[in-house]
Amino acid sequence: GAVVSQHPSWVICKSGTSVKIECRSLDFQATTMFWYRQFPKQSLMLMATSNEGSKATYEQGVEKDKFLINHASLTLSTLTVTSAHPEDSSFYICSARVAGEDNSPLHFGNGTRLTVT
Amino acid sequence: SQQGEEDPQALSIQEGENATMNCSYKTSINNLQWYRQNSGRGLVHLILIRSNEREKHSGRLRVTLDTSKKSSSLLITASRAADTASYFCATGNTGFQKLVFGTGTRLLVSP
Repeated sequence: GAVVSQHPSWVICKSGTSVKIECRSLDFQATTMFWYRQFPKQSLMLMATSNEGSKATYEQGVEKDKFLINHASLTLSTLTVTSAHPEDSSFYICSARVAGEDNSPLHFGNGTRLTVT
Repeated sequence: SQQGEEDPQALSIQEGENATMNCSYKTSINNLQWYRQNSGRGLVHLILIRSNEREKHSGRLRVTLDTSKKSSSLLITASRAADTASYFCATGNTGFQKLVFGTGTRLLVSP
């Protein structure tokens, strides 16, 4: 149980275009999902906390107009990288926690590798 | 930054040997978790230890926690080539919603 599906697994786009990444909890409801960014051989850096039905909470230094997050249902959160540039190329990972279990482990998607040319 | 640090950054061992990874953190915590990441994939939760616990076991994994030193260790016994991955510690605070991940240890287990 507790499977998180992230789509697409990889995407290549041209500079200036926007890319949407989906994160779905398949067999549980998630009031909160988290979006991370990871550079090669580095740790995960939290970008934002996505809350169902409300605005996302962004970490310091993360541009909310650049990285649009929508959490429209208890099983889906989306991250849109707007007007992507080569420096946005990275590995983006979402995670979710089962609703009502605030101290339980996170369940991660398999990540999306974004390459902006 | 509240990010924890892990050492070593990289560890290379032979199958059958034990692997020990250490994690240090900076703030008070409610719990500490260890995750594993295979190359280019998401993270998989391994084990959670609460701040009032000192040691926990799960299969070949043994985790210790010393809140006075703000440190934790993960021991993998009788390692296998399939244990090759990056290992991250992550800390959660009281009433927390988000986790802060450490810098990670890249483990290579050679057959």
